[in-house]
Formats: sequence, C-alpha cells, structure tokens
Amino acid sequence: EAGVTQSPTHLIKTRGQQATLRCSPISGHTSVYWYQQALGLGLQFLLWYDEGEERNRGNFPPRFSGRQFPNYSSELNVNALELEDSALYLCASSRTGANVLTFGAGSRLTVL
Amino acid sequence: LAKTTQPISMDSYEGQEVNITCSHNNIATNDYITWYQQFPSQGPRFIIQGYKTKVTNEVASLFIPADRKSSTLSLPRVSLSDTAVYYCLVGDAGSSASKIIFGSGTRLSIRP
Repeated sequence: EAGVTQSPTHLIKTRGQQATLRCSPISGHTSVYWYQQALGLGLQFLLWYDEGEERNRGNFPPRFSGRQFPNYSSELNVNALELEDSALYLCASSRTGANVLTFGAGSRLTVL
Repeated sequence: LAKTTQPISMDSYEGQEVNITCSHNNIATNDYITWYQQFPSQGPRFIIQGYKTKVTNEVASLFIPADRKSSTLSLPRVSLSDTAVYYCLVGDAGSSASKIIFGSGTRLSIRP
C-alpha cells in the first residue's frame, strides 16, 4: 500500500512569490491535514479537508489556502511568501473522523 | 482541548529501557492517548494508542493509570535508531485530528 506522498520534496522561492505544495493521501482516506513545522519546533495545524470541503483551519493568515480534489488529493497554496514561511510542510491523511494520522515525508519550503 | 506536558529532552544508552511520561490532567472521558515518533526532516509516525491500563505492540508499550491523568511510553532495549522526537497527544477518537495539538515533544537521544 502506497503511503502519503508529497511533492515537491524541496522548493526554493523568494519573498512575495507563491508556492504550491501537493499531497496524495493513502487510498481509502478521505481526510487530508496540513501542518507547518518550522525548524526545531513542533507541528502547527494549518488546514483540514474532508470530502472536498475545508472543515477546519488553524491560526494562519488567509494567504495560506488550499483545496481538495475529487480523488482526495490536496494542494496547499501560500501566497505573498514571507521569510518566516520557511518550514517543513507536512501532509497527513486519515479516514473521516479518525484521529490517527499517517504523515508524508514533507515538503521543505525555503523563502529567500 | 486537553493539553499535554512532557519532558523536553531525555538521554539514554543502547540496550536500556526508556520510559517517557506525559501529563494530561484535563483529559476528557472520550479522549484517547496517542504517541508519535518523528525523525529529522520526516513526518511523524504513529507508534501506539490507548485508552486505559496497558497497550503493547511490536514497537512499544503504553501504560495508563486508572485516573488517566498521565501516561508512560515504554521503549524496550533502545538502539541508536530510536533517537527521535516523541509526541504525546490526547484527543477524542470520534473527532477530527484537527482538534489535537502537537506540542514540542520529547527529544530522545540514544548513545552507544
């Protein structure tokens, strides 16, 4: 069974640009979660998608947005990038309502 | 949301048993206790989940006293590869993971 896959592995952008990160959940999982992990810190909850809808969002500005596609894959968009957006962005999936998550390897975003 | 408190860091040696304790004084009746392991630049990996008493799998054991206000993750005979950050999480198994908070975790260092 394929795990949660994320792309790209690494991404380098400059301030003000936009970044798009992608995630494919485990087959059969309908919920996708996005987390931000700055270097040396814990995970901060960003967004939760289930059945194509945004269900919950963490304490992040509106320039962090995303969507979930009919095949349950998801995309995270970060607009107007700032230096402090540099972090590891982790995607996780689960069955609807379950609280045991399977994480991907993450996408490392560097903003210069 | 139940908050957890765990040591920032711990050190041990190969072959030893390591016990990491987590406090969750405000745990609710429906909350489960879940532990994840995270290696550098990777997503967290589910280790074990329990509700009360003792749970054991091929990786670890989880001990939960009757009052459920704390829990202890026990790693038998650790090796260098067990060096990682360990997160203790508390949440309702029937609600989404978006309501579960990842703290800073416990950074476990194993020495030869």
